[in-house]
Amino acid sequence: GENVEQHPSTLSVQEGDSAVIKCTYSDSASNYFPWYKQELGKRPQLIIDIRSNVGEKKDQRIAVTLNKTAKHFSLHITETQPEDSAVYFCAASWYTGNQFYFGTGTSLTVIP
Amino acid sequence: EAGVAQSPRYKIIEKRQSVAFWCNPISGHATLYWYQQILGQGPKLLIQFQNNGVVDDSQLPKDRFSAERLKGVDSTLKIQPAKLEDSAVYLCASSLGRSATNEKLFFGSGTQLSVL
Repeated sequence: GENVEQHPSTLSVQEGDSAVIKCTYSDSASNYFPWYKQELGKRPQLIIDIRSNVGEKKDQRIAVTLNKTAKHFSLHITETQPEDSAVYFCAASWYTGNQFYFGTGTSLTVIP
Repeated sequence: EAGVAQSPRYKIIEKRQSVAFWCNPISGHATLYWYQQILGQGPKLLIQFQNNGVVDDSQLPKDRFSAERLKGVDSTLKIQPAKLEDSAVYLCASSLGRSATNEKLFFGSGTQLSVL
């Protein structure tokens, strides 16, 4: 099965700085890569996703990049704000069966 | 649109007791998932249903865990008997379930289980 690794496990940044979280996957058949944000005690919420036919996708302060050759993808948050503090999970999926495999999570703290 | 509904929100039981969780997916979503999320870890798939059929239950500890999705809508997950290591958040999720396309996964708020 698929194996998704995520780094770093914890990340602290000053407000206004950028944050980058990286994930690697093992199965070259994976073709869909969502990112979820989970605030303390709340459900994981989809914040951005990318499909394998695209190299980069942006949504305001959030962007995701994908390198299919190297089998890694990254989440970039620019101009971080305290409300960005949460745990972020990456995941990999392929459409056959629509199964999702999650990384271990990154706890992001934005220091005001 | 209404989200994925789960109950109860919290449950505290003693080891060897049994417990059941309930999930109602987003209306029209054919695929339903149960995930176990242990503190500090990512969600781990326990079982995946497509309508009322099981797609994947390879990581479900079948000696103590069971799940059903009668009529292809609501689902229940049961643990009997519970062990200390079952303490976790149990997340239900759903997706549309169309084949040959990647689909977004929507999560419920989860049930936080504490086994004492």
